Amino acid sequence: GQQVMQIPQYQHVQEGEDFTTYCNSSTTLSNIQWYKQRPGGHPVFLIQLVKSGEVKKQKRLTFQFGEAKKNSSLHITATQTTDVGTYFCAATSGGGADGLTFGKGTHLIIQP
Amino acid sequence: EAQVTQNPRYLITVTGKKLTVTCSQNMNHEYMSWYRQDPGLGLRQIYYSMNVEVTDKGDVPEGYKVSRKEKRNFPLILESPSPNQTSLYFCASNQTPRTEAFFGQGTRLTVV
Repeated sequence: GQQVMQIPQYQHVQEGEDFTTYCNSSTTLSNIQWYKQRPGGHPVFLIQLVKSGEVKKQKRLTFQFGEAKKNSSLHITATQTTDVGTYFCAATSGGGADGLTFGKGTHLIIQP
Repeated sequence: EAQVTQNPRYLITVTGKKLTVTCSQNMNHEYMSWYRQDPGLGLRQIYYSMNVEVTDKGDVPEGYKVSRKEKRNFPLILESPSPNQTSLYFCASNQTPRTEAFFGQGTRLTVV
């Protein structure tokens, strides 16, 4: 199946610093979703992007979908301790029924 | 409240003793899937189901079975568990394979 590469695997930031995680695919994606998993919790849907070049914002979070629909990013401005967790991208391509392929996630660690 | 319910949340078992992890959703979703989550490997799909009596293998199906006799339920069956199946398991449901996935709380399985 398709592969979705996500980097970095870990990111340590000081509280108040910005954070970005990137998701890349070698194939064109139909859409991309982002999820957040708090420590000890389950993945929770954040957003879905479907259009080439799409940019969406949720408060301090900015999501982008590349023009070629092969990459995406999640940027958090001025991180807070509540942002701690693992952020996953998940993508679909083509018409398959196998659903979402998840990246391996980026663990965000925030130092106060 | 829309939810996906998994049971049990924690399970320790011995090699070879058959077990079932239940999953139920109350959103009338047609698409359901099972994932396992392991450190450094992210979320990998085990099996998915497009509708009642329609199931198919995901990326890591070996050693697992599923059934979909009713729309709301999608149990995961380990006929003869082995230690390499020690993992955190998540059930998820979506309206379609490409829409937002709702995850259960997770089942942490240890096979000794």
